[in-house]
Amino acid sequence: AQKVTQAQTEISVVEKEDVTLDCVYETRDTTYYLFWYKQPPSGELVFLIRRNSFDEQNEISGRYSWNFQKSTSSFNFTITASQVVDSAVYFCALTWMDSSYKLIFGSGTRLLVRP
Amino acid sequence: DGGITQSPKYLFRKEGQNVTLSCEQNLNHDAMYWYRQDPGQGLRLIYYSQIVNDFQKGDIAEGYSVSREKKESFPLTVTSAQKNPTAFYLCASRGPGPGELFFGEGSRLTVL
Repeated sequence: AQKVTQAQTEISVVEKEDVTLDCVYETRDTTYYLFWYKQPPSGELVFLIRRNSFDEQNEISGRYSWNFQKSTSSFNFTITASQVVDSAVYFCALTWMDSSYKLIFGSGTRLLVRP
Repeated sequence: DGGITQSPKYLFRKEGQNVTLSCEQNLNHDAMYWYRQDPGQGLRLIYYSQIVNDFQKGDIAEGYSVSREKKESFPLTVTSAQKNPTAFYLCASRGPGPGELFFGEGSRLTVL
């Protein structure tokens, strides 16, 4: 079965703290893609990153970094030196070959960054 | 500006009424999707269309209908058969990369 689990429902941190959002996935396919999306209060989801199953290299983009580990089926997202503008709901998602690239989403993690 | 436009942003409906949510894109994308979001839950796929005049049911299609007569447009009708229609509805189109979706700002439907 294809599944994405985000066990952290809500996280609250003080500005400038680092925070890691966890994502665990299940898939029987060998070719798949993992994503992180951000949903600010305005409602639309904003694409942050895509990784394919053959590329376990970690990625850093400014204050954001992603740790992809196939051995633990995890794709965690770290925000360094969090800011109030990072407050949002973050979704991890999965798609795979032969799925018409439908995305399966986790239930989301609400991040609140307090000043 | 290129993007996905959903309307209306807020919609109230009486029980027993059908409503249609609009989704228009000017990104020239072939594939479009409708998702439903409930509080504290992830997004669930209602319908998707990979090409004009073709669409497939997602995981929760019962009580919904769609059409895809134009590449730019993918309207969703919430019918009276949908038992619990109050939700936030998101439309998306897929860019060239696998699974990379571009979302609209959503339509919030409330059934009174």
